[in-house]
Amino acid sequence: GQSLEQPSEVTAVEGAIVQINCTYQTSGFYGLSWYQQHDGGAPTFLSYNGLDGLEETGRFSSFLSRSDSYGYLLLQELQMKDSASYFCAVAGGSYIPTFGRGTSLIVHP
Amino acid sequence: EAQVTQNPRYLITVTGKKLTVTCSQNMNHEYMSWYRQDPGLGLRQIYYSMNVEVTDKGDVPEGYKVSRKEKRNFPLILESPSPNQTSLYFCASSLSSGVDEQFFGPGTRLTVL
Repeated sequence: GQSLEQPSEVTAVEGAIVQINCTYQTSGFYGLSWYQQHDGGAPTFLSYNGLDGLEETGRFSSFLSRSDSYGYLLLQELQMKDSASYFCAVAGGSYIPTFGRGTSLIVHP
Repeated sequence: EAQVTQNPRYLITVTGKKLTVTCSQNMNHEYMSWYRQDPGLGLRQIYYSMNVEVTDKGDVPEGYKVSRKEKRNFPLILESPSPNQTSLYFCASSLSSGVDEQFFGPGTRLTVL
């Protein structure tokens, strides 16, 4: 089967940088994705890493190390609107994605 | 506008009364799936479909049925709902597999009394 571990909660102040880690165990691996979900809303796609390294999209970056079964989402220049839950998701050998339990990011002024 | 729609958005029902939650996408995606989201448990996949007439179980399929007769529609059926199926349900679609970026519907909040 597949399993993912990510912190349940992270807090930071506006303007800061925060990193949300995700470690996974999977048989077969096709990629690590990140999704954002605001309270009461639908998850929305943020990024995807299929290969090792850093992917940058504006203020958000995502990193993957397949040898360490580890990835992270980096959020820079935090804004209040970044307060949300962030989920990592792994697609393993069966192409079925498994989501982590989510990290609640709280941004303080 | 490219989107995934679900209906109803909110539903309160009683144990044993069959219900269907509809899901439709207008992006010509091949892959569609259903998730349930419960506090502290993240998103768990119920069923998925790789294409028309092709469906398969996800991680938590017990008590649910699906069908994929047309590419755009993927209804979720609860034949005999029970209180432990009270949850927030999301339909999602992606281009060709669960590896691709998934587009989620707005969610259906179901309460089974």
